[in-house]
Amino acid sequence: EPEVTQTPSHQVTQMGQEVILRCVPISNHLYFYWYRQILGQKVEFLVSFYNNEISEKSEIFDDQFSVERPDGSNFTLKIRSTKLEDSAMYFCASRRGTRQYFGPGTRLTVL
Amino acid sequence: GQNIDQPTEMTATEGAIVQINCTYQTSGFNGLFWYQQHAGEAPTFLSYNVLDGLEEKGRFSSFLSRSKGYSYLLLKELQMKDSASYLCAVTPGDQGGKLIFGQGTELSVKP
Repeated sequence: EPEVTQTPSHQVTQMGQEVILRCVPISNHLYFYWYRQILGQKVEFLVSFYNNEISEKSEIFDDQFSVERPDGSNFTLKIRSTKLEDSAMYFCASRRGTRQYFGPGTRLTVL
Repeated sequence: GQNIDQPTEMTATEGAIVQINCTYQTSGFNGLFWYQQHAGEAPTFLSYNVLDGLEEKGRFSSFLSRSKGYSYLLLKELQMKDSASYLCAVTPGDQGGKLIFGQGTELSVKP
């Protein structure tokens, strides 16, 4: 079965630093998503992306966050100035039809 | 607002049957998903319901009642490997197709 991949699997950064989380969605998928899951809490929607633009974003997705699809395969999430509360697991997902396929996640630790 | 409720945790015995309930109140509805999530891993798709009734897939079945805002996931012939968190998620039907997740039900299967 095709898979969504994410790199790195674990990122440790200092507060205030910029991080870029990378995802390679399934190749013929059209819709792309980022979610986050703080340890012990529920999975939360951040942003959806379609046709090279954001289609929806949550309240969490403030000016510190941005997404980009720089080429035909990668989909990135940038956090400009990380805060302690950004520590979480970040999941990328993609879909063509109904079902969303999730990547393995990037665990972000902000110190 | 958007609200999805499910029990926090459940315990069942190997070989038994367990039913995990989910109730939802969302601004729109375009389908309900059940995902399985092992600790530290990505959610994996189990089932999708958009019409009322029961969908069966092997040991797993999922039921939906749209008028009651209610779904359940039924797991039969429980195995130790079924110990995981089970996530109920709704897609409200907006253009982006985001998923809104419940808190998850942590299922422990005992020998």
